[in-house]
Amino acid sequence: GAGVSQTPSNKVTEKGKYVELRCDPISGHTALYWYRQSLGQGPEFLIYFQGTGAADDSGLPNDRFFAVRPEGSVSTLKIQRTERGDSAVYLCASSPIATGELFFGEGSRLTVL
Amino acid sequence: DQQVKQNSPSLSVQEGRISILNCDYTNSMFDYFLWYKKYPAEGPTFLISISSIKDKNEDGRFTVFLNKSAKHLSLHIVPSQPGDSAVYFCAASEGRTGNQFYFGTGTSLTVIP
Repeated sequence: GAGVSQTPSNKVTEKGKYVELRCDPISGHTALYWYRQSLGQGPEFLIYFQGTGAADDSGLPNDRFFAVRPEGSVSTLKIQRTERGDSAVYLCASSPIATGELFFGEGSRLTVL
Repeated sequence: DQQVKQNSPSLSVQEGRISILNCDYTNSMFDYFLWYKKYPAEGPTFLISISSIKDKNEDGRFTVFLNKSAKHLSLHIVPSQPGDSAVYFCAASEGRTGNQFYFGTGTSLTVIP
């Protein structure tokens, strides 16, 4: 389809493991955002890419979290040494720079046991 | 600290009546505001936006009002329909593009047939 695609849709892992979450944005969208949504909360900003570079990573909670977008399209969010508190839905959004509207994917639900 | 607040976690409205969802913000630098609608197991979808140069923006049954002095915005849905039942998030940013969006915690709207 033409929307933002996120994989996997669900990921269950054990505490301490490494996890990668992938986002395929809408073609032509130069801006890409990662958000995290916990139960009962609104989406919480993690990181924003403009092209290949991270323009704002101030929302990453600690150095266990890292994200890349090497070719300015697909992005991967990487979480090392997962903790139970990392359990949440991780949302990716892309945006055509001219409008500022965010188009969200369906999210990747991460459960850390 | 929550810079965007939605103080009503839920709202029930009769079909055909008006739904009014409220949102308050604390950062006076915010000048671009959006409303998103979210169904279960789906990502948020963009509904309507307003920039601070306006105090009203209308799109079909949806109207957003902005009161900058009160740092308050509201979304009006008239007439409400059962398909409008969803969680509604407001979001705010400094500038239309290139900045992180801050989201409220959401209001769950139920439209009763």
